[in-house]
Amino acid sequence: AQSVTQPDIHITVSEGASLELRCNYSYGATPYLFWYVQSPGQGLQLLLKYFSGDTLVQGIKGFEAEFKRSQSSFNLRKPSVHWSDAAEYFCAVGELTSYDKVIFGPGTSLSVIP
Amino acid sequence: EAGVAQSPRYKIIEKRQSVAFWCNPISGHATLYWYQQILGQGPKLLIQFQNNGVVDDSQLPKDRFSAERLKGVDSTLKIQPAKLEDSAVYLCASSPETGGLDTQYFGPGTRLTVL
Repeated sequence: AQSVTQPDIHITVSEGASLELRCNYSYGATPYLFWYVQSPGQGLQLLLKYFSGDTLVQGIKGFEAEFKRSQSSFNLRKPSVHWSDAAEYFCAVGELTSYDKVIFGPGTSLSVIP
Repeated sequence: EAGVAQSPRYKIIEKRQSVAFWCNPISGHATLYWYQQILGQGPKLLIQFQNNGVVDDSQLPKDRFSAERLKGVDSTLKIQPAKLEDSAVYLCASSPETGGLDTQYFGPGTRLTVL
């Protein structure tokens, strides 16, 4: 069965520092991968997605993610974190069925120190 | 473009009571989802509609949960009777196409507390 793991439950970084959030997936075929962000009191918002092609994907708010098939990973990165990036981040994998389905990971909570 | 609307935003009930949540998706979106998000976990899909038909309800506890999508637009999710373990945020999302791999647009959620 398809699954997503996010090894880090909580990460704290200083404002201006770089960020990398880890995501590992289990999927038999070429995966469809997503990163969503959930700010306090708000719904989830798509940051970026990977379906095929270039393994380095650019998203909104200055985020990028790199798909590495050999490591079954899809890590999210940002070169310089802003205080407004404090939120919960979810990695997800798309499961191809007759109707398609997205399975979310458990999330990583990001705190930003001023 | 208006986003996905949900109401109420918060609900507190006693166990064994009933509760209903309402969702109004983005206009024209074909697919609607209900997720359950327990504190500290990722969203778990409860039910997925394409237009007004159910395509996946495999993780919906059908002995107590029910959902419908009226005329392929608004949707309601009901719990009857509620249990303590139903305490969670219930998220509604919609996507333009008839497939889950399209971008999903989420509402703000309804936080349910069962006492």
